[in-house]
Amino acid sequence: ELKVEQNPLFLSMQEGKNYTIYCNYSTTSDRLYWYRQDPGKSLESLFVLLSNGAVKQEGRLMASLDTKARLSTLHITAAVHDLSATYFCAVGQTLARGGADGLTFGKGTHLIIQP
Amino acid sequence: GAVVSQHPSRVICKSGTSVKIECRSLDFQATTMFWYRQFPKQSLMLMATSNEGSKATYEQGVEKDKFLINHASLTLSTLTVTSAHPEDSSFYICSARDGRTGNTGELFFGEGSRLTVL
Repeated sequence: ELKVEQNPLFLSMQEGKNYTIYCNYSTTSDRLYWYRQDPGKSLESLFVLLSNGAVKQEGRLMASLDTKARLSTLHITAAVHDLSATYFCAVGQTLARGGADGLTFGKGTHLIIQP
Repeated sequence: GAVVSQHPSRVICKSGTSVKIECRSLDFQATTMFWYRQFPKQSLMLMATSNEGSKATYEQGVEKDKFLINHASLTLSTLTVTSAHPEDSSFYICSARDGRTGNTGELFFGEGSRLTVL
C-alpha cells in the first residue's frame, strides 16, 4: 500500500523567509504532483514531476523529485502572504504500469505567511 | 489546463434523502474519473474510480450501495449519496485526466461539492 507523508503539517512563517516542505512516499513511483488548496476551494495543480532529479520552478516555488530517496521537496523563497494555503503532494502508480489510478495524497501542509 | 466542472457547489439536505453530484469534463473526454472525499482540515481520500460504460471501482471501506456512481458518457460522471446521514457531510471532489496532455498522469479537479446533511 502506497503511503505518502508530508511534513510539516502546519507552518507559520514571516514574509521574506525561506522554507521547505517535504514529501516522502513508501513505494516505487516515478510521478509526483504538488497541488495548492485555498480554504473552501478545490485543488490547483502546481507541479508535475515525472523523473528522478526533476526540478521545476514557478515564481517563488520550486519543486524537486528524488525517486531513489522517495522524496520530493517544495521550496518557498522569500515568502509572501499570497502563498498562504494548504499544499498537498500526491503520488501515483508508476507510469510504466499504465498510471491509470487515482493519486494518493499526503495529509497536506497548512501554510500561513504573516506580514 | 483541462477544465472539470462540478455541480452543485453546495447542497444541504435532510437525513434520509439522496443527493446527486455531477462532474463534467468541459473541454476533453474522460474515460476515467475519480471521486474523492475530504473532511475538514484533512487530506483527500479516494472513494472510487468511475469508468465510462462500466461499473465503478470502489476503494476499500467505501459502500458501493451508498455511493452510487454512473459514468454514462465520456464527459459526465455522477455520484449519488443515497439515504444520506450527517456523517456523510463532507467536501466531495471529482477529478479526471486529459489524455491530450500526454501520459503525465496529472489529475485536474472540479470545484468540489460541499454536502451538509441535517
